[in-house]
Amino acid sequence: AQRVTQPEKLLSVFKGAPVELKCNYSYSGSPELFWYVQYSRQRLQLLLRHISRESIKGFTADLNKGETSFHLKKPFAQEEDSAMYYCALSATSGTYKYIFGTGTRLKVLA
Amino acid sequence: DTGVSQDPRHKITKRGQNVTFRCDPISEHNRLYWYRQTLGQGPEFLTYFQNEAQLEKSRLLSDRFSAERPKGSFSTLEIQRTEQGDSAMYLCASSLQGKTEAFFGQGTRLTVV
Repeated sequence: AQRVTQPEKLLSVFKGAPVELKCNYSYSGSPELFWYVQYSRQRLQLLLRHISRESIKGFTADLNKGETSFHLKKPFAQEEDSAMYYCALSATSGTYKYIFGTGTRLKVLA
Repeated sequence: DTGVSQDPRHKITKRGQNVTFRCDPISEHNRLYWYRQTLGQGPEFLTYFQNEAQLEKSRLLSDRFSAERPKGSFSTLEIQRTEQGDSAMYLCASSLQGKTEAFFGQGTRLTVV
């Protein structure tokens, strides 16, 4: 079955602390993995994707095919990182439709 | 704002009524998607258009749901005989041919009372 699992509904950390949002996936084939973020009252927007291997707003995510994971990390959380984070996968051909996880709400406390 | 636009942003309707939502994708994007998001869940795929052709429909899309993209530009999603279980956020997204990055609209929140 094709599935994305985000085990934490809510993650609270203090400002300056490291953050790791977990994402595991199940997919027959080689998908593309994404992290989307939704700030309060804003639309879903792409944060990063595994093929670009970039660091965006200090966040990184490494695809681990052996563990089928794509965890999102940031060494020092900022208050403006508070948002809803969704992990998603897409096939690399065909419709490119997304399969989303249930999301993790990150709260960065002052 | 030149992003994906959805209208209306909010819709409250009585059970049994029909509703129609509109999505205007980014102008050069030929791929258009509809997703549904219920409370506590991530978005779930409903249907996909490439230009004006509807190429995939999810099993979530019952017979009461119909989507069109008549000229390959804007799209409409109609729900007939709405039920309380249809209450959700309906999201539209668009992308360029061959690109996996999708751009989302702000969604239409439907409440069926």
